[in-house]
Amino acid sequence: NAGVTQTPKFQVLKTGQSMTLQCAQDMNHNSMYWYRQDPGMGLRLIYYSASEGTTDKGEVPNGYNVSRLNKREFSLRLESAAPSQTSVYFCASSEGTGGRSNQPQHFGDGTRLSIL
Amino acid sequence: GNSVTQMEGPVTLSEEAFLTINCTYTATGYPSLFWYVQYPGEGLQLLLKATKADDKGSNKGFEATYRKETTSFHLEKGSVQVSDSAVYFCALRFDGQNFVFGPGTRLSVLP
Repeated sequence: NAGVTQTPKFQVLKTGQSMTLQCAQDMNHNSMYWYRQDPGMGLRLIYYSASEGTTDKGEVPNGYNVSRLNKREFSLRLESAAPSQTSVYFCASSEGTGGRSNQPQHFGDGTRLSIL
Repeated sequence: GNSVTQMEGPVTLSEEAFLTINCTYTATGYPSLFWYVQYPGEGLQLLLKATKADDKGSNKGFEATYRKETTSFHLEKGSVQVSDSAVYFCALRFDGQNFVFGPGTRLSVLP
């Protein structure tokens, strides 16, 4: 019962470096999400993919790109990391085409990213 | 737009105390409502949910009732344990839309 798996768990980057955060789910969910969590700001949606082959911007997409590689995998890329992107990043997935409201999201354990 | 407001933390309680974490929402219509819990170093886990007015969600001794009159979904537990120390998030969702999360409330339970 792996659920949602994120890699890596921790990473330190220098300003300007690039990096891809990986996420995979084994629950056959249609929808996948990337959030960032900062102290005092709760969760903010970066990008989401309602179904395989589609991606959409969330609340804070600037500086990020995503790829829905297949139904299982949804990656988040920082092309040129900035200190403001220091955060904890969470991937989540949910079932139900069209996003039935009673279906919960399932979260990974997060990637703790520091940018110096 | 839709939004969720939670009581500010941190909330500090002694073991076996009664817990209430307030959650109110602003939305047009009647969304599904959720409580998530985040233990240190982990992701969010679904704690309970309610999908229509007057529904009561419950799990692990926690309860919350969907009150449409007051647009609230307060989380309660009769006797907290040290192991309940975590951050609690209230959230709402409509069909076909993304989740809207509250800012989270940190709970610390002292032995």
